[in-house]
Amino acid sequence: KQEVTQIPAALSVPEGENLVLNCSFTDSAIYNLQWFRQDPGKGLTSLLLIQSSQREQTSGRLNASLDKSSGRSTLYIAASQPGDSATYLCAVREGQGAQKLVFGQGTRLTINP
Amino acid sequence: NAGVTQTPKFQVLKTGQSMTLQCAQDMNHNSMYWYRQDPGMGLRLIYYSASEGTTDKGEVPNGYNVSRLNKREFSLRLESAAPSQTSVYFCASRKIQNTEAFFGQGTRLTVV
Repeated sequence: KQEVTQIPAALSVPEGENLVLNCSFTDSAIYNLQWFRQDPGKGLTSLLLIQSSQREQTSGRLNASLDKSSGRSTLYIAASQPGDSATYLCAVREGQGAQKLVFGQGTRLTINP
Repeated sequence: NAGVTQTPKFQVLKTGQSMTLQCAQDMNHNSMYWYRQDPGMGLRLIYYSASEGTTDKGEVPNGYNVSRLNKREFSLRLESAAPSQTSVYFCASRKIQNTEAFFGQGTRLTVV
């Protein structure tokens, strides 16, 4: 059974720092991996999608990497801002035809002004 | 851009009552999903519809039914609500298999 883990559960850093969020998964046979952001009481906003054949994706100050063989993905946030404060979730989709996204528990990020 | 729209946003039910959660997407997506989010459990798939006219069970389907009314709309029904169904419910959609999933804003349901 696929399990997705995100460590740490919570992270607090001062504004302006570069930071890395971690996501690990137990079964490397994934189809793709998606990073989401969730603000308190809100829905999930898609940040980046990495296909299994890709190594990384970039969007603005965000860069996500994928190492399928080791079962790891990282989300790099450059020059963090207070507006980046949110919970960040990663989710993997297993195998072609699989419908379910398997989510991690998330990392709650706080950027202090 | 509306994206994925869920109604209602909040609901309080008494045990045994029934209700339907509505979801509509305007992105011409083929697949639609219902998830629930609970503290400590993360997001879990309840039901999904891979394409118009099909529905299938996910990880936690007991106590729920779904209807894919048309390509745009996918509803989730609780026939007899139980306190264990207190949760935040999210609808999601995706165009095809290798594309991003988009989520609605959620419905916060409390069963007392």
